[in-house]
Amino acid sequence: AQRVTQPEKLLSVFKGAPVELKCNYSYSGSPELFWYVQYSRQRLQLLLRHISRESIKGFTADLNKGETSFHLKKPFAQEEDSAMYYCALRGKMGGTSYGKLTFGQGTILTVHP
Amino acid sequence: NAGVMQNPRHLVRRRGQEARLRCSPMKGHSHVYWYRQLPEEGLKFMVYLQKENIIDESGMPKERFSAEFPKEGPSILRIQQVVRGDSAAYFCASSPGMGLLGYTFGSGTRLTVV
Repeated sequence: AQRVTQPEKLLSVFKGAPVELKCNYSYSGSPELFWYVQYSRQRLQLLLRHISRESIKGFTADLNKGETSFHLKKPFAQEEDSAMYYCALRGKMGGTSYGKLTFGQGTILTVHP
Repeated sequence: NAGVMQNPRHLVRRRGQEARLRCSPMKGHSHVYWYRQLPEEGLKFMVYLQKENIIDESGMPKERFSAEFPKEGPSILRIQQVVRGDSAAYFCASSPGMGLLGYTFGSGTRLTVV
């Protein structure tokens, strides 16, 4: 079985402060991990994926297989980062990957001015 | 391209009625996924369909819920004899192929059962 846990439902920081949104997972195979973001009144959209090893809007996330974590980090938070963030995992069915995602409960990030 | 369209945005049903939620995928997308988000929880996978086929329905409740994606027209998630516990946000996502390339979510339908 696969599972994604985001331990913080709410996270508040001030503008310019570092931010880290935690994500832990359990999965027996090699996982693919993603972060999705939902800004107010907008649809869910992909922020980044671990296989890309990219930085989007200043956010990065490193897959730590030893700790089974995929925490999302940004060194200097901005007010426009305020949103709901979901960590998600993609597994395989019959050896094939497809679009079935397992989501964490989500973390609401609020960045205060 | 209008993106993934879900309608209605909000749906109110009395207990025992039927709810029909529609998802029109993006143009060129033939794969559709349905997710449910209960209050205070994350999105949970329900079903994965391709045109005229159900590929994976492992997340669908055993009773009252059904889904289809006909050759023509939108994908439909149907909930019969709704109960208060069905109140949730229902999201669909579509993609052109099996992978996540181009995977796009709709804005969701919020179902309230009174």
